[in-house]
Amino acid sequence: DIVLTQSPGTLSLSPGERATLSCRASQSVGSNYLAWYQQKSGQAPRLLIYGASSRATGIPDRFSGSGSGTDFTLTISSLEPKDFAVYFCQQYDSSPFTFGPGTKVDIK
Amino acid sequence: QVQLVQSGAEVKKPGASVKVSCKASGYTFTRNYLHWFRQAPGQGPEWMGVINPTDGTTTSAQRFQGRVTMTRDTSTSTVYMELNSLRSDDTAVYYCTRVSSAWFFDYWGQGTLITVSS
Repeated sequence: DIVLTQSPGTLSLSPGERATLSCRASQSVGSNYLAWYQQKSGQAPRLLIYGASSRATGIPDRFSGSGSGTDFTLTISSLEPKDFAVYFCQQYDSSPFTFGPGTKVDIK
Repeated sequence: QVQLVQSGAEVKKPGASVKVSCKASGYTFTRNYLHWFRQAPGQGPEWMGVINPTDGTTTSAQRFQGRVTMTRDTSTSTVYMELNSLRSDDTAVYYCTRVSSAWFFDYWGQGTLITVSS
């Protein structure tokens, strides 16, 4: 199984600041089949990024993804109040399709 | 627009079974595989299994094999996930999700909270 580790566990920032979230895989993620999701309390995960760097439909360009192999990054260029949430990375390269434990971005 | 609408929350006793439904609309039901995940409080989602709506074939995660059954009804564009021998640690929100043509999970149901408690 591919184990995903996310850091930091919590990121405390102010609106307007840049957020950088990390996701590391225990083995290489083939074809960069790595996605990022945003989740707010009581809601389903919302797809932000697929293929490590492609934005999903309707996702603003302040969200960007990068990386390959085992190291991936989600960057939010300038945090808006609605961006404070939990963010998960997920690999869909091989079964079982695993998620990381999440990074909580909260208001400083 | 694509929608996945799941059945409502349930409370079950240990040892019981639960069956969650997921009704798809806004696309051709048989064109996309549907997966099930569950999410315990404070954790990331956990993959449970997948069903091919075309022929009903399924694959489940090893830890759920023998305990989970996935089925579909093409006449109503609905998939079902039944989990047996429920335990307290099965308490979670259960999600269905659709696989896109590029293999990522693009649409998710709203989630169904299953609480297992005596």
